[in-house]
Amino acid sequence: SSELTQDPAVSVALGQTVRITCQGDSLRRYCASWYQQKPGQAPVLVIYGKNKRPSGIPDRFSGSSSGNTASLTITGAQAEDEADYYCNSRDTSGNRGVFGGGTNLTVL
Amino acid sequence: QVQLQQWGAGLLKPSETLSLTCVVSGGSFSDYYWTWIRQSPGTGLEWIGEINHSGDTNYSPSLKSRVTISADSSKNQFSLKLSSVTAADTAVYYCARLCRYFGDYPYYYYMDVWGKGTTVTVSS
Repeated sequence: SSELTQDPAVSVALGQTVRITCQGDSLRRYCASWYQQKPGQAPVLVIYGKNKRPSGIPDRFSGSSSGNTASLTITGAQAEDEADYYCNSRDTSGNRGVFGGGTNLTVL
Repeated sequence: QVQLQQWGAGLLKPSETLSLTCVVSGGSFSDYYWTWIRQSPGTGLEWIGEINHSGDTNYSPSLKSRVTISADSSKNQFSLKLSSVTAADTAVYYCARLCRYFGDYPYYYYMDVWGKGTTVTVSS
């Protein structure tokens, strides 16, 4: 079982806002990073640290955290945002990486 | 621009040893940790382990008895070996660069550059 918990599936209407969450005790100590994965492709980093976006990631992607929950928010979801999203952090010892189970996002 | 190129055998028989290598180009090898991640068909991402240029490693508890990750700084490359494979090890294996931040609390880690993935199938 994963030490980070995500909802398996979320849907959002085109142009609306969606929040994908990730829960785990280690998130009280370590920020989550978020990855977008489309079928047949390698994951792509979309958010890391305290709401930082790598170059080339649209500003409709943002991150936040409260307590043991990290969130990825897409403001004004686009059709191309349909993908699987994974959170990642460390385990409670800090010695190992862990992934959430992933959230499949459907843009309606 | 940093790139990771990975290669290795794609078809193995049960009990054989999986061996993959990832070479780093266009950036520093010694300033980062380097990780291996896998994804079984239709499932999520699984962290396998990580290494730095000095050879310090951390492994997933579930794979630790079978995994060895090594690094060759002279060649800017790192490798994964997984022994005694079974069909459950069939997956796409990715290498990635791990960035670590230990400045202001909270700390964070992230993987900003990924290889394209290598499909490994274990079948008799």
